[in-house]
Amino acid sequence: AQRVTQPEKLLSVFKGAPVELKCNYSYSGSPELFWYVQYSRQRLQLLLRHISRESIKGFTADLNKGETSFHLKKPFAQEEDSAMYYCALGGSYIPTFGRGTSLIVHP
Amino acid sequence: DTGVSQNPRHKITKRGQNVTFRCDPISEHNRLYWYRQTLGQGPEFLTYFQNEAQLEKSRLLSDRFSAERPKGSFSTLEIQRTEQGDSAMYLCASSFGLDRGNEQYFGPGTRLTVT
Repeated sequence: AQRVTQPEKLLSVFKGAPVELKCNYSYSGSPELFWYVQYSRQRLQLLLRHISRESIKGFTADLNKGETSFHLKKPFAQEEDSAMYYCALGGSYIPTFGRGTSLIVHP
Repeated sequence: DTGVSQNPRHKITKRGQNVTFRCDPISEHNRLYWYRQTLGQGPEFLTYFQNEAQLEKSRLLSDRFSAERPKGSFSTLEIQRTEQGDSAMYLCASSFGLDRGNEQYFGPGTRLTVT
């Protein structure tokens, strides 16, 4: 069965500190992975997907098939990054979301 | 087109009543998804449509739940004989499908409270 694991419910950092939100997945085929973000009082929106290999708002994520991971990273956190972040396994499969990690960036 | 819309935004109902939610996707999108989200959890897949065809249903979707997408446009999700365990946020999302990366665009959700 496919599964997405986000081990941290909450990640609290200070402004300017590096951030890494962890995501591990379980799937037997070739995965397609996404990070979605939900800011306070806003709807879920796509942050980035692995096939595009883009950097969005300073965030990057690399798919590591050996470790079955897709961790989200940002070298210097900003206060406006405070939000809920969801890792998702999608593509041709039934989309599966992790439980989410709440990122709080303190001034 | 202002994105995916959902109505109503909030619904309070008594146990045993039927409720129906509506989702209007982005007009060019051919895929439409329904999810349920409870506190502390991520969105949980319920079902999806490719145009008007319902292609996949979660095993979590009991026979009290039914979804339709007539003419491949808007969709409705009906819950019959609601139970307190049905209380959740119901999310709708739409996408172009696999040939455009299947990036999903979410609606604001309908929060259901069953008393």
